Amino acid sequence: AQSVTQLDSQVPVFEEAPVELRCNYSSSVSVYLFWYVQYPNQGLQLLLKYLSGSTLVKGINGFEAEFNKSQTSFHLRKPSVHISDTAEYFCAVSDLGGATNKLIFGTGTLLAVQP
Amino acid sequence: DAGVIQSPRHEVTEMGQEVTLRCKPISGHNSLFWYRQTMMRGLELLIYFNNNVPIDDSGMPEDRFSAKMPNASFSTLKIQPSEPRDSAVYFCASSFTATEAFFGQGTRLTVV
Repeated sequence: AQSVTQLDSQVPVFEEAPVELRCNYSSSVSVYLFWYVQYPNQGLQLLLKYLSGSTLVKGINGFEAEFNKSQTSFHLRKPSVHISDTAEYFCAVSDLGGATNKLIFGTGTLLAVQP
Repeated sequence: DAGVIQSPRHEVTEMGQEVTLRCKPISGHNSLFWYRQTMMRGLELLIYFNNNVPIDDSGMPEDRFSAKMPNASFSTLKIQPSEPRDSAVYFCASSFTATEAFFGQGTRLTVV
């Protein structure tokens, strides 16, 4: 069974500073990897996804993530954050080639951008 | 497409009452998921359907919870009887393949 670990429950950062949100996964099979963002009182919105190909994936709002198979990681980065990036970020994994589309989420990381 | 539609957006009910949450997935999607979000436990997958058939309901917390998908365009999550600890935001999501899931806006349930 797959699982996702987001070690940081909260990451405070100043505006215009770089940020990295960490995500590690475990799975016995190949997987798809995702980052979702949740703004207050809203549903989850897809930020980016890794399916295959280049290990560096670019998403919306200037975010990018790098898939590292040897370290089973999929860390999310942004070189310069804005106040509007304040939100909860979720890493997720699904079973590549599985019979179903089951999506498992990490516990989330709250990105708190301060002026 | 209007996206995944959930109703109601907010529900306040008394302990012991039956609660029914509704979800309309995106047309053409063949998988549907129900998640529960709380501060303590984060996002938990309760149950998911593939082609209207429940595939895995191991996340359903108790027998008080049940979910149905009578057709490809509608699903319900029912709690009977409801308890205060069921208070949470319940999300429905749908997908066509394993490459992306689309979420509704959620139903905030408060059981008093």
